[in-house]
Amino acid sequence: DAKTTQPPSMDCAEGRAANLPCNHSTISGNEYVYWYRQIHSQGPQYIIHGLKNNETNEMASLIITEDRKSSTLILPHATLRDTAVYYCIVRVEDDKIIFGKGTRLHILP
Amino acid sequence: EADIYQTPRYLVIGTGKKITLECSQTMGHDKMYWYQQDPGMELHLIHYSYGVNSTEKGDLSSESTVSRIRTEHFPLTLESARPSHTSQYLCASSESPFWGANTGELFFGEGSRLTVL
Repeated sequence: DAKTTQPPSMDCAEGRAANLPCNHSTISGNEYVYWYRQIHSQGPQYIIHGLKNNETNEMASLIITEDRKSSTLILPHATLRDTAVYYCIVRVEDDKIIFGKGTRLHILP
Repeated sequence: EADIYQTPRYLVIGTGKKITLECSQTMGHDKMYWYQQDPGMELHLIHYSYGVNSTEKGDLSSESTVSRIRTEHFPLTLESARPSHTSQYLCASSESPFWGANTGELFFGEGSRLTVL
């Protein structure tokens, strides 16, 4: 079973920031938080990952709470091309990688 | 850009036939995975491998089998296809270890869409 809980769907207006929450209350100290997204039926695309600190790259920002029990993926200026299913995963290096149901993000024009 | 390839992309086949879905990667990754996904549904891990001669079953029980004789190849075989095997099969690989310069991210192929009549 997936170790994370995400809302099944969210809407966001185009041009606004999309904030996608993820609960991982049972995360252990050596587990990383990864985010992927899947557009239509293509293979999921890596977005960002982190362990304890907040992270930012050209695609998104990842905010991890101090207790590491939850995180938020932020897409700063959502576009229609960001419409996808977003998956939050926790894993250690030699884990099998389980995706869960993810959040279906709709960007509204 | 990911260098992981799946063939065939689409396959329509009759019940009882043996099929092999090919997956190859040129990145030298030790870890490889097979996922099964029905339209609009979640990804299910069916097989994974940590390197040559290593294969493990995933969380979703599958009648398929896999082999890992070479690092770059991770083929999936169905000995006798049935309509219940109709689905999309996605292959992925990841680098290891995933600290330092490695992100540990998964790289996916474009998928093989199987239809069994």
